Amino acid sequence: SAVISQKPSRDICQRGTSLTIQCQVDSQVTMMFWYRQQPGQSLTLIATANQGSEATYESGFVIDKFPISRPNLTFSTLTVSNMSPEDSSIYLCSVDQTGVNTEAFFGQGTRLTVV
Amino acid sequence: AQSVTQLGSHVSVSEGALVLLRCNYSSSVPPYLFWYVQYPNQGLQLLLKYTSAATLVKGINGFEAEFKKSETSFHLTKPSAHMSDAAEYFCAVSGQGAQKLVFGQGTRLTINP
Repeated sequence: SAVISQKPSRDICQRGTSLTIQCQVDSQVTMMFWYRQQPGQSLTLIATANQGSEATYESGFVIDKFPISRPNLTFSTLTVSNMSPEDSSIYLCSVDQTGVNTEAFFGQGTRLTVV
Repeated sequence: AQSVTQLGSHVSVSEGALVLLRCNYSSSVPPYLFWYVQYPNQGLQLLLKYTSAATLVKGINGFEAEFKKSETSFHLTKPSAHMSDAAEYFCAVSGQGAQKLVFGQGTRLTINP
């Protein structure tokens, strides 16, 4: 299993500013995933973060808006840039364990409110 | 490509009654299927998963699900609902283990006393 810690757990931000969310895993992992859960909605994958290479973004998400860093095998950050109220969501970090015990583990999420 | 459809955004059952949450999937490759539960203001917790082994999968808290390839379904059931089962339930599919999960819209389960 994997234990994931996210910071901050919640924040209220002014529109036009940026927020960086941190994700720390208690073991080394190749890929880390960032998801967004808009109010009352399901989870949508934003991007996949690989250590040592550029993140891979899903359709509808761009690097300028959601820059991601992956400096080592246990840590990643997601920045939400130039925020607007539409960015108000829960942002979740996830890692996978594939094999006999295939499972995705999720952090507790960062609840972001943009005012 | 993968997609998931959860039938019923809200399901309400009486305590002690059968719980049935429906999930249909689409996948161009053999799928991995998951059910997650989300309690208010909490993260996601894995209930159970299908990873190409037994088609009837048993999970935590008395839940189980059956993979039916012919019906492209992975419905979640529990014989007897408990008040503590009230939560949001998400079905998810992947073609790559537990990477890049595609989630359904979620089903909010309410338990009536």
